[in-house]
This record gives sequence, structure tokens and C-alpha cells, in this order.
Amino acid sequence: AQTVTQSQPEMSVQEAETVTLSCTYDTSESDYYLFWYKQPPSRQMILVIRQEAYKQQNATENRFSVNFQKAAKSFSLKISDSQLGDAAMYFCAYRIRDDKIIFGKGTRLHILP
Amino acid sequence: DTGVSQDPRHKITKRGQNVTFRCDPISEHNRLYWYRQTLGQGPEFLTYFQNEAQLEKSRLLSDRFSAERPKGSFSTLEIQRTEQGDSAMYLCASSLGLMMNTEAFFGQGTRLTVV
Repeated sequence: AQTVTQSQPEMSVQEAETVTLSCTYDTSESDYYLFWYKQPPSRQMILVIRQEAYKQQNATENRFSVNFQKAAKSFSLKISDSQLGDAAMYFCAYRIRDDKIIFGKGTRLHILP
Repeated sequence: DTGVSQDPRHKITKRGQNVTFRCDPISEHNRLYWYRQTLGQGPEFLTYFQNEAQLEKSRLLSDRFSAERPKGSFSTLEIQRTEQGDSAMYLCASSLGLMMNTEAFFGQGTRLTVV
């Protein structure tokens, strides 16, 4: 079965500090995409960053970067210089070929002023 | 284009009633997904369409649930004989093309409360 596991239900970080959210996944496929989505309170989900499994280079988007370890099936998200607007639920997800997107249960991130 | 639109935003219904939700995807997006999200959980896949064809339906979905996407445009999700366990946020998303890397855009969801 295809699964995505986020082992940290909640995390807190001081404003301007760096935080890392963990994600592991299980698949027998070799070609797939990984995503981190952000869901602010009462707002719609938006894509934060994506990673192609065939690329060794880790994706970065401004303050957001990933650490992709394909052999370990690990895909963590690092947020640098945390801002109050980063407070949200973060979902790790993956997709194989043209299949559906499978989500983890999420990590709630609190930003402490 | 204003993104993925879902209607209604909130629905309160009595147990046993039927409800129907609508999703208008971003125009030209041929892939449309339905997910269910309960409080504090991640979205659970329900079903998805490629144009008007329903490609997969989750085993989580009972026979009381049905979805359509006539003419490959908007989609409806109907729940018959609602139960309290159906209370959740129902999310719709759309994406362009068949490539895995294409971003899925989400609507704001329809929150269903069954009383």
C-alpha cells in the first residue's frame, strides 16, 4: 500500500528560527513526485514545494527547501527564517505516474513571536 | 480565472437527507479530484476524473456516494442518506495534464455537518 507518514503531529518554532518537518513514504515505484502542501487556518491548501524523484538535487523555493533521501524514502521540509505567516498545517504528499495524490496526516506548525 | 470554486461553503443537513456539492475546476484543467478531510487529519482520496471519465473510486467510498463530471467541466459529489460520520470537509482539486509534476490546485472546500 502506498502510504505517507508524518511523525510529528505538532511543532513549534521561534520566529526567525529554522524548523524541519519530517516525512517518510512507502512505495515500490521508482518514478514519482513528492510535494509539501500548506493549509493555513480556514484557508485553502497551497503548494509549497515539489521534488522529482529522479532528481538528486534537493528542491528549494526561497525560504523553503527539502532534504530528499530516496533510498531512505525520506522527504523533509526545512523552513528558514520562520515567519508568523508560516503557521499552518503542512502536508507531505506523493504521486506516481498519473495517479492520485496521497497525503500524510499533517504537521501543525506554530510560530512563536 | 479565480481558481477552483466549491459550492456551498457550508452545509448543515439532517441525518438521512441527501446532499450535493459542486466543484468548478480551473478552466482547461482536465484532472479533477475529490478528497475528504476530517478535523486534524490529512485529505483522504475519494475519487478522481480525467475529463468526464471517472478513473478511480476509493474503497472508503460507500455506495451512498456518487460523483459525476458531465462534459468534463464542473463536477458534483452526492451523498445519499447522510450519516453523522459523513461530517467532514470535502475538498476538490484540479490539475492540468497527465504529468506527475503538475500542481493540483485546491478549492476552499465544503464543510458538511450532519445533525
